[in-house]
This record gives sequence, C-alpha cells and structure tokens, in this order.
Amino acid sequence: AQSVTQPDARVTVSEGASLQLRCKYSYFGTPYLFWYVQYPRQGLQLLLKYYPGDPVVQGVNGFEAEFSKSNSSFHLRKASVHWSDWAVYFCAVSMNTGGLSGKLTFGEGTQVTVIS
Amino acid sequence: EAGVTQSPRYAVLQEGQAVSFWCDPISGHDTLYWYQQPRDQGPQLLVYFRDEAVIDNSQLPSDRFSAVRPKGTNSTLKIQSAKQGDTATYLCASSFQGRNTEVFFGKGTRLTVV
Repeated sequence: AQSVTQPDARVTVSEGASLQLRCKYSYFGTPYLFWYVQYPRQGLQLLLKYYPGDPVVQGVNGFEAEFSKSNSSFHLRKASVHWSDWAVYFCAVSMNTGGLSGKLTFGEGTQVTVIS
Repeated sequence: EAGVTQSPRYAVLQEGQAVSFWCDPISGHDTLYWYQQPRDQGPQLLVYFRDEAVIDNSQLPSDRFSAVRPKGTNSTLKIQSAKQGDTATYLCASSFQGRNTEVFFGKGTRLTVV
C-alpha cells in the first residue's frame, strides 16, 4: 500500500526567505503526487501536481516541486515566502492505474509559520 | 463554477447522538469522496462513489458510519451513536473520472463530540 511521510511537523520561516518542505512517498511504481495547502477553516486547495513526465513541476503562487524516483521524494520549494503562505501543507500520493484514480493518501502535514 | 458545498459547517454533539453531513459536488463530477481529518493530521479516505455505486468503503467504520449517494449527485454521510474519537473535520471532494483529473475539496464540516 502507498504511504506518505512529511518529516517536519512545523517549519518557521522569515518573510522573504526561501522555503523547502520535505515529502517522502512509498509506492511500487511511478505514482501521481500532489501538494495541497489548507488555510484556517478552509478546504484543501491544490498547489501543484506531478504526473509522470518532467520531474520539476510549477504550481500556483511561485511554488514548485521536484520528483525524485531514486530518493522516493517530492519536495516543495518556494524562493521567497510571503506572510500569506502561513498555512498547513499536505503532500499526497495517488495510485497510477493507467490514469489518476483520485483516491489520495495524505501525509500528516507541515504547519508553516511566517515571521517578519 | 460553484465548488463542492458542504453543510453544516460545524456540529457539536454529545456521545451517543447521531449526525448527518451533506455534500453537493461540482456539477458533472461522477466521483465523490468522503475524508476524515482528525485535528493536526492529514485527511484519511472513508468511502468513495462513482455515480451512485460505492467503489471503496473499506475504511468506513461500518457499525456506526454510513454513506449514500442515491442519485449519483448529492451525498450524505451519517454517524450513528457518535463517540469522542469521531471528533474531526469531515471533508467531501469530487472529481470527474478520466486521465489526469483533479480532485476538488469542500470546506468541510467540523464535528466535536463531547
């Protein structure tokens, strides 16, 4: 069965600094991978998605992520953090059944706090 | 385009009471999911439907939880005899089956069982 690990429960970053959030997945084969963001009292919003192809994917609001099959990782990055990035970020994996199954397995999430 | 709509937004129950959550997916989406998200954890899939058929309910506590989608559109998730351990946010999501489709989430119903 697939699984996702986000090793950092909390990350604090200064506004304007760079950000990296780590995600490790376990899946036999090449999965579909996602990063979602959850703002307080809001639903999950998709930041970016990886479908088999280019390992670096661009998302919304300046986020990007890089897929590594050898490291079983899908780390999220942003060059310059804004206060509005204060949120919880979830990495998720979906089975590749010749197409996207839509059945997502999520990590535990990383709370990002932005300080001035 | 309207998103996934859920109601109520909040619910507070005593142990042993029953509660129902309602979800209206995005128009045209044939697949609907219910996730449970305990506080400070990631969402966990409970059940999902394609049209009116249950595709996977293996993670649904069948003795107290039930979910239906009778016409393949709206869905209801019901908890009979709630327990404190059911305290969580219940998220509904929908998608259209096909290659490289995206899953869209509602804002959720936050349940507290005291």
